[in-house]
Amino acid sequence: QVLLVQSGAEVKRPGSSVRVSCKASGGTFSSSPISWVRQAPGQGLQWMGRIIPIVDKPDYAQIFQGRVTITADKSTTTVYMQLSSLRSDDTGVYYCARQGEWQEFKNWGQGTLVTVSS
Amino acid sequence: QSVLTQPPSVSAAPGQKVTISCAGSGSNIGRDYVSWYQQLPGAAPKVLIYDTYKRPSGIPDRFSGSKSGTSATLGITGLQAGDEAVYYCGTWDSSLSGWVFGGGTTVTVL
Repeated sequence: QVLLVQSGAEVKRPGSSVRVSCKASGGTFSSSPISWVRQAPGQGLQWMGRIIPIVDKPDYAQIFQGRVTITADKSTTTVYMQLSSLRSDDTGVYYCARQGEWQEFKNWGQGTLVTVSS
Repeated sequence: QSVLTQPPSVSAAPGQKVTISCAGSGSNIGRDYVSWYQQLPGAAPKVLIYDTYKRPSGIPDRFSGSKSGTSATLGITGLQAGDEAVYYCGTWDSSLSGWVFGGGTTVTVL
């Protein structure tokens, strides 16, 4: 069974950047897409982008283009999501999720709370 | 404003059935696989349905998925207290070149 373990909570100032990690164990890391999904407080799910480690060419949601960078380190089976120019409305829980054969979000990390506050 | 439209809430008594609709368009539900997710309070979402109607192992057959045209539906029969959660639909949108979700539907067991 695939297990995704994310890095811990972060508190950031507006205008700064945050990097969240997602370490995968079990399963086939390199060939499965791993996406990042954000959930603002009390709100729904918002897809940010994804990467297939073996291809190493990320796709980003239009709304996050230019601010988000997703990278993968095959040697440590870890995927990273960096979000820059943080604003208060970037506060939320950030999830990584491995996608299955039908592109469903099959396995989820535990979530990382990012708080943006001055 | 979500690309996929779900009702904010549905409710029913224990043992009854609920259905949750997910309305989209030809660029998303009309042409691609739909999946459904259950999010219990304080937890990460969990996939209930993928490829529009398939259930992962371990998901009871009380949960079912279907699609007609540009709308999808999640059905839950034999409603239990443990089914109280928020449910999301999701699929790929070819116009946006990105994954889209519904706004979520809160299921309340009366």
